[in-house]
Amino acid sequence: GAVVSQHPSWVICKSGTSVKIECRSLDFQATTMFWYRQFPKQSLMLMATSNEGSKATYEQGVEKDKFLINHASLTLSTLTVTSAHPEDSSFYICSASKGSSYNSPLHFGNGTRLTVT
Amino acid sequence: AQTVTQSQPEMSVQEAETVTLSCTYDTSESDYYLFWYKQPPSRQMILVIRQEAYKQQNATENRFSVNFQKAAKSFSLKISDSQLGDAAMYFCAYRSASSGSRLTFGEGTQLTVNP
Repeated sequence: GAVVSQHPSWVICKSGTSVKIECRSLDFQATTMFWYRQFPKQSLMLMATSNEGSKATYEQGVEKDKFLINHASLTLSTLTVTSAHPEDSSFYICSASKGSSYNSPLHFGNGTRLTVT
Repeated sequence: AQTVTQSQPEMSVQEAETVTLSCTYDTSESDYYLFWYKQPPSRQMILVIRQEAYKQQNATENRFSVNFQKAAKSFSLKISDSQLGDAAMYFCAYRSASSGSRLTFGEGTQLTVNP
């Protein structure tokens, strides 16, 4: 089956620093990738949608300058949390789709647990 | 905007018994997909089952089946012969063309399986 690799699986960083999370589709080309954020015991909240070669579309309330998303190739999207603060500590999950259609299968990465101290 | 509601924050079931998780959604569209995802403590999202709205027949995957009531906008998940490994958070989700192909998740139901 299709595999999405997310790296790192966990990261601890100091307040004020930036951290990059990678989402790779290992055996398929991902036209569209989605980034979600999940707080403990809560649901997944969509942060942004990225399409290869174009700017990401952010959900309302998500700071574009803080959560930088790059989807430069069909197999890689990155989420950079800039000037991280403790309130950014969360679980971040990506998902990738082979196509842009709503009936294209979605595949999830294993997630990244970010802790900002 | 589409919304997905799971009214049961927590459910429990005895091993080998059957449990039903509820989900309702709100949409004005006629063509969409509905999903149930399982998230165990590892937090990996695992697709349990999916239903195309245009199909009247309820989807089934081994011990997992759904009761899809399109007019009522209801999409419940039935787990038969519950196993300890079924313990997890379960999310109901919606996806359609007009929503940009994104998944909209419900709040989740934490399922406990008692031995």
